[in-house]
Amino acid sequence: DAGVTQSPTHLIKTRGQHVTLRCSPISGHKSVSWYQQVLGQGPQFIFQYYEKEERGRGNFPDRFSARQFPNYSSELNVNALLLGDSALYLCASSRITSGGAHEQFFGPGTRLTVL
Amino acid sequence: SQQGEEDPQALSIQEGENATMNCSYKTSINNLQWYRQNSGRGLVHLILIRSNEREKHSGRLRVTLDTSKKSSSLLITASRAADTASYFCATLLSGTYKYIFGTGTRLKVLA
Repeated sequence: DAGVTQSPTHLIKTRGQHVTLRCSPISGHKSVSWYQQVLGQGPQFIFQYYEKEERGRGNFPDRFSARQFPNYSSELNVNALLLGDSALYLCASSRITSGGAHEQFFGPGTRLTVL
Repeated sequence: SQQGEEDPQALSIQEGENATMNCSYKTSINNLQWYRQNSGRGLVHLILIRSNEREKHSGRLRVTLDTSKKSSSLLITASRAADTASYFCATLLSGTYKYIFGTGTRLKVLA
């Protein structure tokens, strides 16, 4: 099975612009989460969606929004880009293991550079 | 803020040696997962350990969890140059679907 896929791989934007990042989960996974990873730090949780509903939100401004589609793919939107939004954006899809644990798998990420 | 802290922040060892890295966290968790990341790319899932488990093995990896001390350790045995990467622990907070990552341990294995 294919893993989590993300597009685009790299993106360069200027301050004030808007960006849309896309993610396709592993087949059969119904949950998608988004993370921001700034250089030298661990990933920071942004959103989680399950069955098209937002199930969790991290401490990010309203400029960040997301949605999940009926096929469980997801988009992350960021408005009014700031220099500080430059980061690796990671998408993860989740499944429940046979033991009932919530297990998460990551895509390769989208590298966003804001100039 | 990040609730997990990995220790050490950086580790350099010779090929064939064992590497041990530790993770501490602050609040109750459902499970803890370890990930590897090569050069700012995507995270590779290594192993999941549930809060009611104390030890798990996967190939050359051994993970322990001590919920009383709120800590976990990842042992990589017989390390290889290909193990050079950053390693992160991520904890699933109880009652949520939110994973909190630590700051990572940068492991360098010298050939």
